[in-house]
Amino acid sequence: GQQLNQSPQSMFIQEGEDVSMNCTSSSIFNTWLWYKQDPGEGPVLLIALYKAGELTSNGRLTAQFGITRKDSFLNISASIPSDVGIYFCAGYFGNEKLTFGTGTRLTIIP
Amino acid sequence: GAGVSQSPSNKVTEKGKDVELRCDPISGHTALYWYRQSLGQGLEFLIYFQGNSAPDKSGLPSDRFSAERTGGSVSTLTIQRTQQEDSAVYLCASSSPPETGYEQYFGPGTRLTVT
Repeated sequence: GQQLNQSPQSMFIQEGEDVSMNCTSSSIFNTWLWYKQDPGEGPVLLIALYKAGELTSNGRLTAQFGITRKDSFLNISASIPSDVGIYFCAGYFGNEKLTFGTGTRLTIIP
Repeated sequence: GAGVSQSPSNKVTEKGKDVELRCDPISGHTALYWYRQSLGQGLEFLIYFQGNSAPDKSGLPSDRFSAERTGGSVSTLTIQRTQQEDSAVYLCASSSPPETGYEQYFGPGTRLTVT
């Protein structure tokens, strides 16, 4: 089945640093979604991407749908403590079911 | 408006007992999904309901797991004869394709602990 490779698995950064994470697939995806999950909560949708090459921002977050339709990245600028959590990419390739990446755990070092 | 709600938020049960987990999707959303998330892991698809179509049960791990959706709204996930490996967070999500694309909105989850 389809798989999404998400990297890095974890990141340890200082407050104020920029963050970048990405997802790649061997299959072409029609839609890319990025979610953030806080401890004890369900994932919250951050950004949705629908077209190859699309670049979308949501505050300090920017995500892009790769031109090959097989990858996507998420950038966070000037990280703050509330950015801590697990970030998941997810994608549709046409069968109405989301495929999720394995997550990137973001930790901010004091 | 109200988001996806799930109940109970936590459930502790003894091995061998049956449990029922409930999901109330966003009003008007036609699609409903159940996922399982083990500690520190990603999301594992379990089952998908879309309108009046037959559900996609391809992710259910065993015949001890079942789900139903009544009246196209509320859904119940039932786990019979629970095992310790069933311990996980069970997440429900809803969406409304094609109007909102395939963006899924998640509830807070039910944390199931089987002792």
